[in-house]
Amino acid sequence: EAQVTQNPRYLITVTGKKLTVTCSQNMNHEYMSWYRQDPGLGLRQIYYSMNVEVTDKGDVPEGYKVSRKEKRNFPLILESPSPNQTSLYFCASSYQAGAKNEQYFGPGTRLTVT
Amino acid sequence: GQNIDQPTEMTATEGAIVQINCTYQTSGFNGLFWYQQHAGEAPTFLSYNVLDGLEEKGRFSSFLSRSKGYSYLLLKELQMKDSASYLCARRRNYQLIWGAGTKLIIKP
Repeated sequence: EAQVTQNPRYLITVTGKKLTVTCSQNMNHEYMSWYRQDPGLGLRQIYYSMNVEVTDKGDVPEGYKVSRKEKRNFPLILESPSPNQTSLYFCASSYQAGAKNEQYFGPGTRLTVT
Repeated sequence: GQNIDQPTEMTATEGAIVQINCTYQTSGFNGLFWYQQHAGEAPTFLSYNVLDGLEEKGRFSSFLSRSKGYSYLLLKELQMKDSASYLCARRRNYQLIWGAGTKLIIKP
């Protein structure tokens, strides 16, 4: 089954404790992206990747890191989480960037930082 | 700016028709998407418009006017399962800029 998977689905952590949220897609997509979704603000892009070893900042990259060593994986790293990073996080992928390439979303990771 | 505006919430009756509007900044426009998101779930793709006019896909249609920076999603023969949030997003180069979503409540 074609899908985007994320782990963990739920995470409660404390301020400053490094964490990684994994994202994997099995559709051989070139483009991958991380979003956070907060009430009243909609989806905001954190980082995106056009292909292996190519990543770029989205609109809200502060406090996050990513890497794209393999085509299928695009982990999101929070080196020192803070309470304002409490949010619902979605990973998404598409065949390529641009044009009508629709994005396929993972199930989401609900992160709480205390 | 990058603002995309859509109503926060709408209510409609089962079997009826509802139109959800979206306005956006026209500069650098490369296309407009509509996604559906049920509560607690991931967004799923509904439609894409890059040229002016109406695109029909079953009970759902999407309209675009590039000169006015305006789009709408039209849902016909509403069903209870259509209760969800509807997200409008415009393409800006290799990114999507998202509206905050419109929560659609369907009443029997």
